[in-house]
Amino acid sequence: RKEVEQDPGPFNVPEGATVAFNCTYSNSASQSFFWYRQDCRKEPKLLMSVYSSGNEDGRFTAQLNRASQYISLLIRDSKLSDSATYLCVVNNVDSSYKLIFGSGTRLLVRP
Amino acid sequence: NAGVTQTPKFRVLKTGQSMTLLCAQDMNHEYMYWYRQDPGMGLRLIHYSVGEGTTAKGEVPDGYNVSRLKKQNFLLGLESAAPSQTSVYFCASRKRQGHKDEQFFGPGTRLTVL
Repeated sequence: RKEVEQDPGPFNVPEGATVAFNCTYSNSASQSFFWYRQDCRKEPKLLMSVYSSGNEDGRFTAQLNRASQYISLLIRDSKLSDSATYLCVVNNVDSSYKLIFGSGTRLLVRP
Repeated sequence: NAGVTQTPKFRVLKTGQSMTLLCAQDMNHEYMYWYRQDPGMGLRLIHYSVGEGTTAKGEVPDGYNVSRLKKQNFLLGLESAAPSQTSVYFCASRKRQGHKDEQFFGPGTRLTVL
């Protein structure tokens, strides 16, 4: 079983739609959580960190559920430019030097 | 700031050839990483370094060696390339400061081994 699991998608949504991605992690010692975005044939870039109380950055909202060990990312009012792969990333307290990356969820926003 | 740079951007090797991938960062970060990314597999950690002169094995270290002689550079070597090493290779450096924690990636090196 992978340590960080994501639905690979693709999620195909129209512009303006709201879309949500979930990610589950298996290590209860996980302490830090992030969403990275990767455009086609480009490097990953940090989208947002995920805080215990949940956090919002414009149209993006991240939530953490420690009891169920999952993280979510909600994108409201989708734009064409949101089309990308979204990577769920976890840092464990017992191996804090390394970040564990999920395989990513692909999002396609159509006109 | 150039951030994280990688050299070369593309390379084609024949089986058995050797090469070195160079990663450089100008942000004075202690931590540096080498990943490979294959379709459907996500990013897999090859080797990493927590400071100048130190390296450690990641998830998939076999067939690769690394060196971190200077803080700003992290080199990845393939001594005898195999077709299974065809992949996109990303280098990253990491900033950890208080609650902030972010990895900065280079643009990648696309390697094909024939």
